[in-house]
Amino acid sequence: DAGVIQSPRHEVTEMGQEVTLRCKPISGHNSLFWYRQTMMRGLELLIYFNNNVPIDDSGMPEDRFSAKMPNASFSTLKIQPSEPRDSAVYFCASSFRSGEGQPQHFGDGTRLSIL
Amino acid sequence: GENVEQHPSTLSVQEGDSAVIKCTYSDSASNYFPWYKQELGKRPQLIIDIRSNVGEKKDQRIAVTLNKTAKHFSLHITETQPEDSAVYFCAASNTGNQFYFGTGTSLTVIP
Repeated sequence: DAGVIQSPRHEVTEMGQEVTLRCKPISGHNSLFWYRQTMMRGLELLIYFNNNVPIDDSGMPEDRFSAKMPNASFSTLKIQPSEPRDSAVYFCASSFRSGEGQPQHFGDGTRLSIL
Repeated sequence: GENVEQHPSTLSVQEGDSAVIKCTYSDSASNYFPWYKQELGKRPQLIIDIRSNVGEKKDQRIAVTLNKTAKHFSLHITETQPEDSAVYFCAASNTGNQFYFGTGTSLTVIP
């Protein structure tokens, strides 16, 4: 199994630019999660999807952030316009949602730097 | 909602000694408790998990215990090795499958 695949691995851009992060979950998984990790705030859940439907986006910082999951094998997290405080590592994770808890499998992350 | 607290935030042990990391949770509906290890610059990786119908689970040098009454669970690493040095995260989840993570413990194993 290829695992959760994220792209790009690194992104450096200037503030004000649009940033799009991409994620391909593990085949057969029906839940997808976007996290942001910083030293100050740790691992924060931004949004998660079940069966391609957004369930909880209360962690999305503000309207500059948006996420989509057009099909079971692809999701995007977009920041527009980007700001320096958005600099962080963004992880995507997927799991198989059943009647009981299941482990989440993380991608390698996107290290985002906004100048 | 759920609140997970994790202690200590940093832990240093001598190689060969044991390390214990403790977490508490607030929501009695939580029934799944995974532990993740994150090496520097890498992704969090699941190392062990436990469900609420089990009190203890062991996998080689790693064990996890769960006390549902007290709402706390712990990670035990025995015979620590330098490659155990990493940040460890606990998490709690209910059937909604959303994870609530602790703030992490940075473990350093001194050779």
